[in-house]
Amino acid sequence: GESVGLHLPTLSVQEGDNSIINCAYSNSASDYFIWYKQESGKGPQFIIDIRSNMDKRQGQRVTVLLNKTVKHLSLQIAATQPGDSAVYFCAESGAGSYQLTFGKGTKLSVIP
Amino acid sequence: DGGITQSPKYLFRKEGQNVTLSCEQNLNHDAMYWYRQDPGQGLRLIYYSQIVNDFQKGDIAEGYSVSREKKESFPLTVTSAQKNPTAFYLCASLSGQGNYGYTFGSGTRLTVV
Repeated sequence: GESVGLHLPTLSVQEGDNSIINCAYSNSASDYFIWYKQESGKGPQFIIDIRSNMDKRQGQRVTVLLNKTVKHLSLQIAATQPGDSAVYFCAESGAGSYQLTFGKGTKLSVIP
Repeated sequence: DGGITQSPKYLFRKEGQNVTLSCEQNLNHDAMYWYRQDPGQGLRLIYYSQIVNDFQKGDIAEGYSVSREKKESFPLTVTSAQKNPTAFYLCASLSGQGNYGYTFGSGTRLTVV
């Protein structure tokens, strides 16, 4: 079946720097994309989402970019803080589908 | 506050035992999901339910069973047929109204002893 994956399993950044987490997807019919943050021993928390009719969406300190041409999704975190240390998952679903397909996750470590 | 509650947080199972993980939501969401998460792995779908009294197998349903007698509740039973049940189990729900993002519970860590 179609899959969602991540380019890098781990990412270490200095506190205050910007972080970029990447995600590749293979389903050209994917219509909805979402990023989750999961801290150790906890359930994933919603960060930001984007639909396929957009190429950029901004939240508080986070930006999601979608490049449908190369089927690539990225999450940018501005001024990364120690509290941002977690595993970040991307997920996607097709039009009209209520089922998300998840990538394996990228572990972000922030160096104080 | 509305949310999704999983219990217990930690659960220990002896070999050959069935155990049931609880998942309750007060968000009035129609769809509910169970995922399994192993270390260094993504989330794998066990079962899902889009409506009361109906549920579907996910990618790794063998050794698990579910029920959906009430909209608010979607318990997962890990049976003795599941040979490697040690994992982190996550329950999620979805409103189906516009926003297609799941709301997750805080998870249950199941360990075989």
